Amino acid sequence: AQSVTQPDIHITVSEGASLELRCNYSYGATPYLFWYVQSPGQGLQLLLKYFSGDTLVQGIKGFEAEFKRSQSSFNLRKPSVHWSDAAEYFCAVGVITGNQFYFGTGTSLTVIP
Amino acid sequence: GAGVSQSPSNKVTEKGKDVELRCDPISGHTALYWYRQSLGQGLEFLIYFQGNSAPDKSGLPSDRFSAERTGGSVSTLTIQRTQQEDSAVYLCASSLSRIYNEQFFGPGTRLTVL
Repeated sequence: AQSVTQPDIHITVSEGASLELRCNYSYGATPYLFWYVQSPGQGLQLLLKYFSGDTLVQGIKGFEAEFKRSQSSFNLRKPSVHWSDAAEYFCAVGVITGNQFYFGTGTSLTVIP
Repeated sequence: GAGVSQSPSNKVTEKGKDVELRCDPISGHTALYWYRQSLGQGLEFLIYFQGNSAPDKSGLPSDRFSAERTGGSVSTLTIQRTQQEDSAVYLCASSLSRIYNEQFFGPGTRLTVL
């Protein structure tokens, strides 16, 4: 069965520090991969997505993610975190053949001054 | 409309009652999705519509849950004989056609079953 794993439930980083949020998926073929962010009191917003081609994708708000087929991973990174980045981050997989969409359980990010 | 809207924003009901949750997608979006977000559980995919058709309903948690979409627009998620474990935030999203396009999410309906 397809699944998405975000091993870190909660991460705390200092403002200005770098960030990496982990995501692993289980799927037989190359899936469609996404990162969404849910800020307090806000709806979910797409940060970036990967379908094919260059395995390093750029998103909004200075985020990027790298698809590594050999590791079945799609980790999200940001070189320098801002206080406004504090939010819940979800990795997601789209499965065309099954017409389904799977989200990870999310990683909650706290940014300290 | 400007974005995905959902109603009601909050719903408190008694165990055993039926509830209807409504989603109004972005105009022109043919794909529509329902999710359930429970505390600490992430987002659980419930169902996906392409137009008025739902190719796969296996994500619905039980036969108490049903969903329909009419006119390729508004969708209704119905929960019959609600149980306390149905308490969650129900999110709707829409996208341009296929499942790999960016999904735009509504604000959700918070359902509380007493």
